[in-house]
Amino acid sequence: DTAVSQTPKYLVTQMGNDKSIKCEQNLGHDTMYWYKQDSKKFLKIMFSYNNKELIINETVPNRFSPKSPDKAHLNLHINSLELGDSAVYFCASHPGPNSPLHFGNGTRLTVT
Amino acid sequence: GDSVTQMEGPVTLSEEAFLTINCTYTATGYPSLFWYVQYPGEGLQLLLKATKADDKGSNKGFEATYRKETTSFHLEKGSVQVSDSAVYFCALSGSGGGADGLTFGKGTHLIIQP
Repeated sequence: DTAVSQTPKYLVTQMGNDKSIKCEQNLGHDTMYWYKQDSKKFLKIMFSYNNKELIINETVPNRFSPKSPDKAHLNLHINSLELGDSAVYFCASHPGPNSPLHFGNGTRLTVT
Repeated sequence: GDSVTQMEGPVTLSEEAFLTINCTYTATGYPSLFWYVQYPGEGLQLLLKATKADDKGSNKGFEATYRKETTSFHLEKGSVQVSDSAVYFCALSGSGGGADGLTFGKGTHLIIQP
């Protein structure tokens, strides 16, 4: 069974469009995250949600908005897409402090 | 703030060679340390972890020891295989609490040639 699943796996869109990426985890974890991985494989945390409350927002532009309808889901909505948004976006979850993160397989976003 | 420094890649080795990927960290408190592996086109998978000083994490022939005195967590494997080709990330848990996620190094691309 897939623990953390993201959809879609690939997303190609034009500048200025609005798009969403969905994430679901069936591990019962309280905390979920969005990470962005750039072309050099560098991983940067974007958001953290703990029991549906936003905990941190690492200077991400407000075009990016996380939405968590319940603690098993954390979706990422992006408005007015820009070329620089092209990257792989990973959803992750974990049960608590000092525990490993469980990652989804990523969504490769390409903005043309 | 917390940070993780890994050796730059790519690292290219022949099959059956000995592998070391260096990782050092800066953190307040007592973080847990992790190695993750990312195969092409996939997400990150936990490879091993250590939660306190002198702990040794091991999995699939890889191992790493939590060295508090040198703030290091170097990844080693005695005999690499072509299937080990991937990107390896060293990471530490946030010292600020559970919702800080992990702080990752920049990743080391490992290429194993037959």
